[in-house]
Amino acid sequence: AQSVSQHNHHVILSEAASLELGCNYSYGGTVNLFWYVQYPGQHLQLLLKYFSGDPLVKGIKGFEAEFIKSKFSFNLRKPSVQWSDTAEYFCAVTLSGSARQLTFGSGTQLTVLP
Amino acid sequence: ETGVTQTPRHLVMGMTNKKSLKCEQHLGHNAMYWYKQSAKKPLELMFVYNFKEQTENNSVPSRFSPECPNSSHLFLHLHTLQPEDSALYLCASSQDVSGGSDTQYFGPGTRLTVL
Repeated sequence: AQSVSQHNHHVILSEAASLELGCNYSYGGTVNLFWYVQYPGQHLQLLLKYFSGDPLVKGIKGFEAEFIKSKFSFNLRKPSVQWSDTAEYFCAVTLSGSARQLTFGSGTQLTVLP
Repeated sequence: ETGVTQTPRHLVMGMTNKKSLKCEQHLGHNAMYWYKQSAKKPLELMFVYNFKEQTENNSVPSRFSPECPNSSHLFLHLHTLQPEDSALYLCASSQDVSGGSDTQYFGPGTRLTVL
């Protein structure tokens, strides 16, 4: 079975700092990749997704992620974070042809200090 | 966003109680899902329904019983739960596009506490 690793459990940044959250998956086949965000007291929302094509994916709120197949990675980036980006971020993966089995990482709590 | 709604938002129950969680999706999707989100653990997929048929059951104990009367509604019936079942239960839906390029959309969850 596939697994997803998010090595940073808690990241604390000051406003305007750059962000990179790591995500690695363990599966050698074709995958679909997602980043979800959960703001305090709110439901999980889709930030961005990668199915195929350009490995650099742009999402909402200035976030982007790059799929590097050789590294089994899908890291999330934002050049300048805001206090409102404080949330928990989840990386998730499905296998191509098995879209219902969405496997999540354990999440990274991002705290942005004003 | 109100595409997927869940009720109740909070539930406290004793171990001998029977209760039900409800999920409704307004997105015209064909597949619905139950997940369990426990503290410091990844989201765990519990059940998947496609066109009202259960297609996945990830070794969930029988004290959790799902029901999907139509493609817009999903229930999770709970009975004789244990304190370790306390968690946030999330419902999701997706179009269930063939070929794997599918996206799941989540509801706000029900925070369940078992005493």
